[in-house]
Amino acid sequence: DAKTTQPNSMESNEEEPVHLPCNHSTISGTDYIHWYRQLPSQGPEYVIHGLTSNVNNRMASLAIAEDRKSSTLILHRATLRDAAVYYCILRDGGTSYGKLTFGQGTILTAHP
Amino acid sequence: DGGITQSPKYLFRKEGQNVTLSCEQNLNHDAMYWYRQDPGQGLRLIYYSQIVNDFQKGDIAEGYSVSREKKESFPLTVTSAQKNPTAFYLCASIPRPLAGGPHEQFFGPGTRLTVL
Repeated sequence: DAKTTQPNSMESNEEEPVHLPCNHSTISGTDYIHWYRQLPSQGPEYVIHGLTSNVNNRMASLAIAEDRKSSTLILHRATLRDAAVYYCILRDGGTSYGKLTFGQGTILTAHP
Repeated sequence: DGGITQSPKYLFRKEGQNVTLSCEQNLNHDAMYWYRQDPGQGLRLIYYSQIVNDFQKGDIAEGYSVSREKKESFPLTVTSAQKNPTAFYLCASIPRPLAGGPHEQFFGPGTRLTVL
């Protein structure tokens, strides 16, 4: 699986947007970009995924660079409940078994 | 409500004992997965199963065993051969792995195993 690079940690202020970057320079044409987040002592939770176009859902937006070598997860109005580890993961849509390769992720600290 | 349950939430065992972690899902998902997470680290794949009565080794299968006799159940046994079993264990599932595509993966709440 292609690797991703994320900052170790970031901070956010409540009610303000936060942009979480991810670099994936070796991404292949069939790799989907997934974002999951993990709250303390819980299992990871799906946030959003995309292939080429920007995506929006109720939790977040995903902005994908035109060359697909980087992407940004956008939380439009961060809250204290968004404090978690955020994982950017590439998964080959051409493979069948659904394995996700997790890196260390970005620890998001939220401030009131 | 549909979901994945893992039990127990906390488990303590003596060194040298085998222990089985439970994972049950009522989502009617075909594929199930076991991951291990160590403090401050990401998840690593132990075993996965795409269909009943079939399973494959992941990246760190040594010292672990699984079975998939029923679609809804995928228990993980941590054997005495696993040299450092203390970790947070997570079970996950996806609907239809054979169809390809992005596949949102659903995770259980995890079991924290401590070997004394």
